[in-house]
Parts: sequence; structure tokens; C-alpha cells
Amino acid sequence: GENVEQHPSTLSVQEGDSAVIKCTYSDSASNYFPWYKQELGKGPQLIIDIRSNVGEKKDQRIAVTLNKTAKHFSLHITETQPEDSAVYFCAACPNTGFQKLVFGTGTRLLVSP
Amino acid sequence: EPEVTQTPSHQVTQMGQEVILRCVPISNHLYFYWYRQILGQKVEFLVSFYNNEISEKSEIFDDQFSVERPDGSNFTLKIRSTKLEDSAMYFCASRTGLGQAGELFFGEGSRLTVL
Repeated sequence: GENVEQHPSTLSVQEGDSAVIKCTYSDSASNYFPWYKQELGKGPQLIIDIRSNVGEKKDQRIAVTLNKTAKHFSLHITETQPEDSAVYFCAACPNTGFQKLVFGTGTRLLVSP
Repeated sequence: EPEVTQTPSHQVTQMGQEVILRCVPISNHLYFYWYRQILGQKVEFLVSFYNNEISEKSEIFDDQFSVERPDGSNFTLKIRSTKLEDSAMYFCASRTGLGQAGELFFGEGSRLTVL
């Protein structure tokens, strides 16, 4: 089955810096890669996603890149703000039609003012 | 904004007791899911539910677990005889759309503590 690895486990940056979180996946049949933000005591919330027919997607300060050949995808946050502090999870979705997401282990991002 | 709601937010139970976690998915959604997250670990898939039946389940979802959509709005997860290792945050999720994968909306979770 699918296995998703995520790095780093923790990331501390200064406000205004960029943050990059990387994930690799194992199943070449996976075709959907969402990123979720989880704040303390809350459920995961989708922040951006990318499909396997696209190499890059951007939404304001957030971008995601996908390299299908290498089976890795990355989240880039520019001009970080303290409210970006949270745990970020990447996920991969095997093409089963029922969207069983396989999550990475999470990255705790701390943005210091 | 529509949201997935879950009750209870926290439940404490004794080992061996039955627990039912409840969820109200977003009203026009067709796919329903339960995931769990043991403290400090990643979110793990338990089960997906579509057209009033289980479409896929993980190895975690053994005979002690069951799901039901009893009345067209609620979606429940039952753990028949809880074990210590069932202690976790349980998230309900739902989505709409057929075929292509799309945004999964998660509830805020139900924290289960088994003593």
C-alpha cells in the first residue's frame, strides 16, 4: 500500500521567512496530493491540493510542487506569519475512487515574530 | 459555511465498554469517512462509506468497529468493546463529487480516552 514520508518533523522560522516541507510517496498510482493544516484541538483543514497532471499550483503565499518521476511533492509558504504556526500534514490518495487519504507524519511549524 | 459536526468532543470510558461517536456530515455530501489520530502521531484512515455501505476499511477497523448512517443525516462509529489502545482523536470527514478526488472536510474530532 501507499506510504508517505514527511520532513522535517519540526520547523522554526522567523516571521517573513519562507518555509518548505517535503513529502515522498511510494505508490505511483496515487494521483491526488492535498496539504492540511491542523491547529491545536481542531480537525485538519485543507489549504492546497494538487493533482498528478499538474507540476505546480499556487494560492497567494502558498505553493505546492509535484515531481511524479521522483514521487515527491513539497509545500512552500512565503512571507510566513505567526498565524501560520500549526501542524501541517501532506497526504497522498491512491486512485481507488473512494479517496482513502494516506497522511504523512506531520510537520510542526513555528513562526516567531 | 457548512461544516462537519461531531459529538461528543471528549468521552472517557472504561476498558470493555461500548462507545458511539456521532457525526453530522455536510448535507449534500455523498462520501463519509472516519479517521483517527493517536496523540502526537499521524492521521490514519479507518473506513470509508458510500451509498449506505462500507467501501473500504483499514486493518485497524476490525470486528470491534462498525459504522452506520441510521437516519440519512447522522453517521456513527461504534466501538463495541474498547481497549486502551483505542484512545485517540477520531475525526469524521465527508466530501461530495463522484469519481475524481476532491476536498475532504473534517470535523473537529472526538477525543476518546479509555481507562
